[in-house]
Amino acid sequence: GENVEQHPSTLSVQEGDSAVIKCTYSDSASNYFPWYKQELGKRPQLIIDIRSNVGEKKDQRIAVTLNKTAKHFSLHITETQPEDSAVYFCAASLSNSGYALNFGKGTSLLVTP
Amino acid sequence: GAVVSQHPSRVICKSGTSVKIECRSLDFQATTMFWYRQFPKKSLMLMATSNEGSKATYEQGVEKDKFLINHASLTLSTLTVTSAHPEDSSFYICSAQEDGGTDEQYFGPGTRLTVT
Repeated sequence: GENVEQHPSTLSVQEGDSAVIKCTYSDSASNYFPWYKQELGKRPQLIIDIRSNVGEKKDQRIAVTLNKTAKHFSLHITETQPEDSAVYFCAASLSNSGYALNFGKGTSLLVTP
Repeated sequence: GAVVSQHPSRVICKSGTSVKIECRSLDFQATTMFWYRQFPKKSLMLMATSNEGSKATYEQGVEKDKFLINHASLTLSTLTVTSAHPEDSSFYICSAQEDGGTDEQYFGPGTRLTVT
């Protein structure tokens, strides 16, 4: 089955700096890669996703890049703010109904003022 | 937007009792729903895939007789933790995919189960 590795497990940055979180996946058939932000005790919130027919996607301060050949994808947050502090999970799946998400272990991001 | 609810949000039960958790898609139909559990400071671990009108598919290591899943309608899946033990204490989260929609999974708010 699919195995998703995520690094780093913790990340501390100063407000205004950029944060980068990286994930690798094992199943070359996976073609849907969402990123979730989860605050303590809350549900995961989708912040951005990318499909394998695209190499990069950007939404304001958040961007995701995908390298299908190397089977890795990354989340980039620019101009970080304290409210960006949360746990971020990457995931990989097949892009069809009925396929579950395989999650990475998460990255705890702390943005200090 | 697509909304998924879960009930209850928190439950405390005694060892040996059973607890039922409901997952509802409020404004869309979902043939497929997923159940995850999450331990403190850990990732979401898939327990089972729930399919309307058929038996759930359980992940390896998840006891189907302990975690009963019923997906009786296109908007409701239930997870029953039977004969609960303290080690079953966890955060249980469901998600649903909209029939005919995109790949996106919509998550419920989660249920915090504490078994005493």
